[in-house]
Amino acid sequence: DGGITQSPKYLFRKEGQNVTLSCEQNLNHDAMYWYRQDPGQGLRLIYYSQIVNDFQKGDIAEGYSVSREKKESFPLTVTSAQKNPTAFYLCATSPLAGTQYFGPGTRLTVL
Amino acid sequence: RKEVEQDPGPFNVPEGATVAFNCTYSNSASQSFFWYRQDCRKEPKLLMSVYSSGNEDGRFTAQLNRASQYISLLIRDSKLSDSATYLCVVNMETTDSWGKLQFGAGTQVVVTP
Repeated sequence: DGGITQSPKYLFRKEGQNVTLSCEQNLNHDAMYWYRQDPGQGLRLIYYSQIVNDFQKGDIAEGYSVSREKKESFPLTVTSAQKNPTAFYLCATSPLAGTQYFGPGTRLTVL
Repeated sequence: RKEVEQDPGPFNVPEGATVAFNCTYSNSASQSFFWYRQDCRKEPKLLMSVYSSGNEDGRFTAQLNRASQYISLLIRDSKLSDSATYLCVVNMETTDSWGKLQFGAGTQVVVTP
C-alpha cells in the first residue's frame, strides 16, 4: 500500500512533555513538510526538507524540531517550549518543485 | 493582511445547483495555484491545479485572474458529496522560497438535499 503514513492518529500530552510525531512515505518523494492547522486558519509551515540530512525552518518553527536521516522519514518533535501545541499536524511530501500530497494527520491535544 | 484570503462561508447550496467562490492573493510574484478539498477532520486532498487559461475537470471549473490577483472555483450540478471545505493554495516559487505554499483558511460548502 503506497502513500504517506502518520502516527499516532491522536496524541495526548501533558504540559512540559516532549512528543514525537511520525511521518513515513514510500512515494520516493524528495521533499517533505510539516504543517500545523488551527481552527479558522490556513495551514502554517513548521519545517521542510528537500534532501536527506538537510531541513529549513518554516514560518512557525519555534518550539519544534525535526530530523531527516532517511528519505522516507521526517519525524517532528513538539517540545515543551511550544506554547500552544494543541493542533492538527499534517505531514506532506512532494517531488522536487512538485505538487504536495498530505498524510492523514495527527491530532495533538495538551491536557 | 493575509497572503491568501477566502470567504469562510458557509455557502449553502441546494443539490443540483451551481456555486462559485473566489480567493484573493497578495503576492503578484505567485507562480502556481491550486484548489484542495478538505473533509471534516481529514487531510487536504488536491482537487485541481489552476492554469492561466482556466481549466475544467468534470463539474469543477477553475479560473485565474492575474491582473486582479484572484482565483475562482465553480462547482456545477452540486452533489451532496461536494460538501467540504475548499482550500485555496498559492505557490511562490522564488529562489528562497522553493516549493513554499501559502494556504487560505478555506471556504466551507454545504450541499443540501
